[in-house]
Amino acid sequence: EPEVTQTPSHQVTQMGQEVILRCVPISNHLYFYWYRQILGQKVEFLVSFYNNEISEKSEIFDDQFSVERPDGSNFTLKIRSTKLEDSAMYFCASSAQTGAATNEKLFFGSGTQLSVL
Amino acid sequence: AQKVTQAQTEISVVEKEDVTLDCVYETRDTTYYLFWYKQPPSGELVFLIRRNSFDEQNEISGRYSWNFQKSTSSFNFTITASQVVDSAVYFCALSEASGNTPLVFGKGTRLSVIA
Repeated sequence: EPEVTQTPSHQVTQMGQEVILRCVPISNHLYFYWYRQILGQKVEFLVSFYNNEISEKSEIFDDQFSVERPDGSNFTLKIRSTKLEDSAMYFCASSAQTGAATNEKLFFGSGTQLSVL
Repeated sequence: AQKVTQAQTEISVVEKEDVTLDCVYETRDTTYYLFWYKQPPSGELVFLIRRNSFDEQNEISGRYSWNFQKSTSSFNFTITASQVVDSAVYFCALSEASGNTPLVFGKGTRLSVIA
């Protein structure tokens, strides 16, 4: 079965540093997402991306966050100046369909565990 | 606003017991989708099922079954004859069908199956 691939699996960074989390969605998918999960808590939506622009974002996704699809295959999440509270597992996801059937099957990557020290 | 409540934080069962994980949701939409995901200790999110609001038929897939009750806004998940490999955190999630809407997850239920 096709997979969403995320790298790195673990990232440790110092507070205030910039980090880029990378994702390779499934190749024919059109919608891309980032979610995060703070340790022991629920999975929270950050942002969705379609047709090279953000389609929706949550309150969590403030000016410190940005997303990009730089080359048609990668989908990145950048945090400009990391804070301690950014420590979480970050999941990338992609789906093939549009409209009401978009969530037919959302494929998640295995996540990047970000630790901000 | 959408909300998903999984009241059971942790459940422990002995292998071969049946276990039901509860999920109650809130939404103002008449069309929506409900999901269950499994998160094993390795951390990834594994899709288990998607159900739309117009399909209230219960579903069975092997040892897994789902009971969707619109009248009580519940979408419960039962594992029959549980196995140690079922040990994981299980998340219920909701998405409104108005275009590309994000999933709203419950807080998850940690299931431990003891041999």
